[in-house]
Amino acid sequence: DAGVIQSPRHEVTEMGQEVTLRCKPISGHNSLFWYRQTMMRGLELLIYFNNNVPIDDSGMPEDRFSAKMPNASFSTLKIQPSEPRDSAVYFCASSLVYGSTYEQYFGPGTRLTVT
Amino acid sequence: EDQVTQSPEALRLQEGESSSLNCSYTVSGLRGLFWYRQDPGKGPEFLFTLYSAGEEKEKERLKATLTKKESFLHITAPKPEDSATYLCAVQAGISGGSQGNLIFGKGTKLSVKP
Repeated sequence: DAGVIQSPRHEVTEMGQEVTLRCKPISGHNSLFWYRQTMMRGLELLIYFNNNVPIDDSGMPEDRFSAKMPNASFSTLKIQPSEPRDSAVYFCASSLVYGSTYEQYFGPGTRLTVT
Repeated sequence: EDQVTQSPEALRLQEGESSSLNCSYTVSGLRGLFWYRQDPGKGPEFLFTLYSAGEEKEKERLKATLTKKESFLHITAPKPEDSATYLCAVQAGISGGSQGNLIFGKGTKLSVKP
């Protein structure tokens, strides 16, 4: 299994530009999570999907952030317009949720730098 | 409020010097406690899940234990390749719209010198 795939691995953009991060979850997993990691705040959950449906987006910081999951094998996180404070590492994770406890498997992350 | 605190923030050990990392938590209805390892420039790698107080799990030089308030990650005779940041996360019971999401601590950065 290839694991969770994220692209791009690095993104440098100027303030005000639109940024789109992509994720392909592990085949067969039914839940997908987007996290943001910074030194100050650690790992923070932004949004998660179950069976392609957004379940909890309470972690999305502002309306500038949006996420979609059009099918079971693809998700995007979009920031428009981007700001320097959005600079962080963004992780996608997937899980097979059954019962009440589940393990999440993370991708390699996208390091975003907004200048 | 559900919270996870890890200590120490950083730990330096000599190769072969055993030690423990701590993860204290306050959560409404613990469903599971998870340990992850994160290497620089990589995503967290799953290590263990613990479900109830008294449970223990082992993997090579690592052993994780769980009480009602905290978890320990014991590292026996560490090697330089054990150097990484170790993250602890809890899955709380369903409350509001959280659906039992994982709440992560900020991690302990472990350095093992040869």
